[in-house]
Amino acid sequence: DAGVIQSPRHEVTEMGQEVTLRCKPISGHNSLFWYRQTMMRGLELLIYFNNNVPIDDSGMPEDRFSAKMPNASFSTLKIQPSEPRDSAVYFCASSLQGWYGYTFGSGTRLTVV
Amino acid sequence: GENVEQHPSTLSVQEGDSAVIKCTYSDSASNYFPWYKQELGKGPQLIIDIRSNVGEKKDQRIAVTLNKTAKHFSLHITETQPEDSAVYFCAASINNNDMRFGAGTRLTVKP
Repeated sequence: DAGVIQSPRHEVTEMGQEVTLRCKPISGHNSLFWYRQTMMRGLELLIYFNNNVPIDDSGMPEDRFSAKMPNASFSTLKIQPSEPRDSAVYFCASSLQGWYGYTFGSGTRLTVV
Repeated sequence: GENVEQHPSTLSVQEGDSAVIKCTYSDSASNYFPWYKQELGKGPQLIIDIRSNVGEKKDQRIAVTLNKTAKHFSLHITETQPEDSAVYFCAASINNNDMRFGAGTRLTVKP
């Protein structure tokens, strides 16, 4: 099993540009989570999906952030327009809904200049 | 929502000593408490977990204890090795949804 696959690993973009982060969960997992990690705020849950349906997006910081899960094997997190304060490592994780821990991807390090 | 506090933020021990990391949670409905290890440049990796119907769980050199009444849980690492050096996170959730993480503990094991 290749685990949770995120792309790109690193992204450097200019303020105002659109950024799209991608995630492929583990096959068979039916829950998907997007987290953001910064030194100041630690690991923050942004949004999660169960069976491709968004369940809780209360952690999405602003309307500039949006997430989709068009099918069980793919999800995107989009920031439009990006700002320097969005610079962070973004993690995607997947799990089997219920009593199992999360498997995290390697993350996307986003730098907005 | 759930709030998880973790202490200490940094911990330095000599190789072979034990390390203990403590967490408290706020939502009495939380019933699942995993611990994650994060190495530099990688995502958090699940190392052990405990559910609310269990008071203690052990896996080789790692053990976790849970006190539901006091709403706190702890990670114990015995016979520490240099490769145990990493950042450790506790977390709490209700039925594995909406997992909230502590701020992390940077553990350094000195050879």
